[in-house]
Amino acid sequence: DTAVSQTPKYLVTQMGNDKSIKCEQNLGHDTMYWYKQDSKKFLKIMFSYNNKELIINETVPNRFSPKSPDKAHLNLHINSLELGDSAVYFCASSPGAGLRDTQYFGPGTRLTVL
Amino acid sequence: AQSVTQPDIHITVSEGASLELRCNYSYGATPYLFWYVQSPGQGLQLLLKYFSGDTLVQGIKGFEAEFKRSQSSFNLRKPSVHWSDAAEYFCAVKPGNQFYFGTGTSLTVIP
Repeated sequence: DTAVSQTPKYLVTQMGNDKSIKCEQNLGHDTMYWYKQDSKKFLKIMFSYNNKELIINETVPNRFSPKSPDKAHLNLHINSLELGDSAVYFCASSPGAGLRDTQYFGPGTRLTVL
Repeated sequence: AQSVTQPDIHITVSEGASLELRCNYSYGATPYLFWYVQSPGQGLQLLLKYFSGDTLVQGIKGFEAEFKRSQSSFNLRKPSVHWSDAAEYFCAVKPGNQFYFGTGTSLTVIP
């Protein structure tokens, strides 16, 4: 009964390819997020959706496109992968987008671009 | 500039010893404060959080943290460390609807 799940856990691909990472939460939360954790463990938010609407869109290359088919899912599609995209990508969810809403994280997807 | 600082990149302690991990923030007002732990190959797990009220908050796994407004700090403590506490620890602040994470402190526990 995993709360926030991501697939795949590991993803190895060549430069220039297009790939997707899927995220699902069964917590009934309204808000979902994508974070990127670089090789130095620094975590930075990329996107946030609240009730399927984009509410946070940090400075991320437009090769990255999030898609939220419903409140329980937030997928991340990456076009034309580059070496610098190698990182661990974390999905998270929270009850809402309010100040007191705590985020719950998935296990991460380790993306390696060769 | 707004920031979250974890001054210690890496800490090594002996099992059974006490632990304190430092976190300082720089924001105009007191943000909401959090500590997360990331075990190897795992996602982040919430240890504890502070919104208001008692400045000493208790969390899971025997951790506690103290908010000190005068020092803009939210340090994490544990009286007696267990080998299973070896992990990466992240302080996070939430001044608005967005989280900002520190760069993490890696904890090694030696027998």
